[in-house]
Amino acid sequence: RKEVEQDPGPFNVPEGATVAFNCTYSNSASQSFFWYRQDCRKEPKLLMSVYSSGNEDGRFTAQLNRASQYISLLIRDSKLSDSATYLCVVNIRRTGQLTFGSGTQLTVLP
Amino acid sequence: GEEVAQTPKHLVRGEGQKAKLYCAPIKGHSYVFWYQQVLKNEFKFLISFQNENVFDETGMPKERFSAKCLPNSPCSLEIQATKLEDSAVYFCASSPTGDTEAFFGQGTRLTVV
Repeated sequence: RKEVEQDPGPFNVPEGATVAFNCTYSNSASQSFFWYRQDCRKEPKLLMSVYSSGNEDGRFTAQLNRASQYISLLIRDSKLSDSATYLCVVNIRRTGQLTFGSGTQLTVLP
Repeated sequence: GEEVAQTPKHLVRGEGQKAKLYCAPIKGHSYVFWYQQVLKNEFKFLISFQNENVFDETGMPKERFSAKCLPNSPCSLEIQATKLEDSAVYFCASSPTGDTEAFFGQGTRLTVV
């Protein structure tokens, strides 16, 4: 079983739609949690850190459920520019090593 | 600098040749990480440094891969005797601490022919 598992996707949604991505992690000792986005094999860019209390940044909302070992990302009012691969990333070990999910591809259609 | 700088952007090597990749972390960041992305979005951790000290090298194929972060020099990742399967994008990332978000460079695309 992979340490970080994501919805396989792809997700194709119309502009303006709300879309949710889910992610589960297997190691209960995981320290920190992030969502990154990656465009066309460019470098991953940090979208949001994810906190237990949940956090919001404009159209993006991230939630963490430590008891269920579950992380989510909600995107409201999707834009064409949101089209990318979304990576669920967990810091499992205190060495700072990030463990990546396999990514979920999102395409927002006009 | 304000961003992680990786050089070169592209590197082509014949099988058996050496490849050397460079990374300058964000100024003030103590941690440097190297990742390999081969297929789709499969990221493989290679090694991490805390300043010039190896912090975690559990992902490194030690027979042919080596890495250094020396004071006042870019960090480097070297592959001796490259193989076809080493073809990948190699990303470097830096972080102020070991458990906060990491910022990635643009990557070096290595093609072994």
